[in-house]
Amino acid sequence: QKEVEQNSGPLSVPEGAIASLNCTYSDRVSQSFFWYRQYSGKSPELIMSIYSNGDKEDGRFTAQLNKASQYVSLLIRDSQPSDSATYLCAAAIFSSGSARQLTFGSGTQLTVLP
Amino acid sequence: DVKVTQSSRYLVKRTGEKVFLECVQDMDHENMFWYRQDPGLGLRLIYFSYDVKMKEKGDIPEGYSVSREKKERFSLILESASTNQTSMYLCASSRGQGLAGERNEQFFGPGTRLTVL
Repeated sequence: QKEVEQNSGPLSVPEGAIASLNCTYSDRVSQSFFWYRQYSGKSPELIMSIYSNGDKEDGRFTAQLNKASQYVSLLIRDSQPSDSATYLCAAAIFSSGSARQLTFGSGTQLTVLP
Repeated sequence: DVKVTQSSRYLVKRTGEKVFLECVQDMDHENMFWYRQDPGLGLRLIYFSYDVKMKEKGDIPEGYSVSREKKERFSLILESASTNQTSMYLCASSRGQGLAGERNEQFFGPGTRLTVL
């Protein structure tokens, strides 16, 4: 069973704190991982991609990948109320020799309290 | 920037009607996808296409069909709409052949909220 699992939350953090979002995946062949942000009533927006083990930083966002543990995380530093959204984790699943498809987690709802 | 557009933001149809949802991308992406998203069920893949006139079933293709006559355009068709097809429909596109090492992130359109009465 190829799955991407996230803690559905809701996760609440105070403004200015670090929000930590976690995701595990079950397919060892997955090589590409993505974090999407989705505001209520809107479509998912890509915020981070990560392809190799380690950390990748982009502004206040840091994605972390540990392939041995099959674990991906997203850290949001200096959280702002505008970061309140659902965050979707996705993995590229290699099927039939191709990874065109993404498998999405169910999302973690984040609320940043002013 | 990648631009994915969908023909309608909101659509109301009656049971039994034939419904067309259209999606256009302007980045010459090979792959296009149709998802539906429902509360508590997450994103579910309906169909995707990796080339003109090529299509593959996703997880929930029943009651839907698709058409891709041009690379930039991917249509979702509900042959006979039913109330259980009331949902948010999301189109996405990505480049590449899905090979290891490719950047295969998907970019989404704004979505169409379809209500079937």
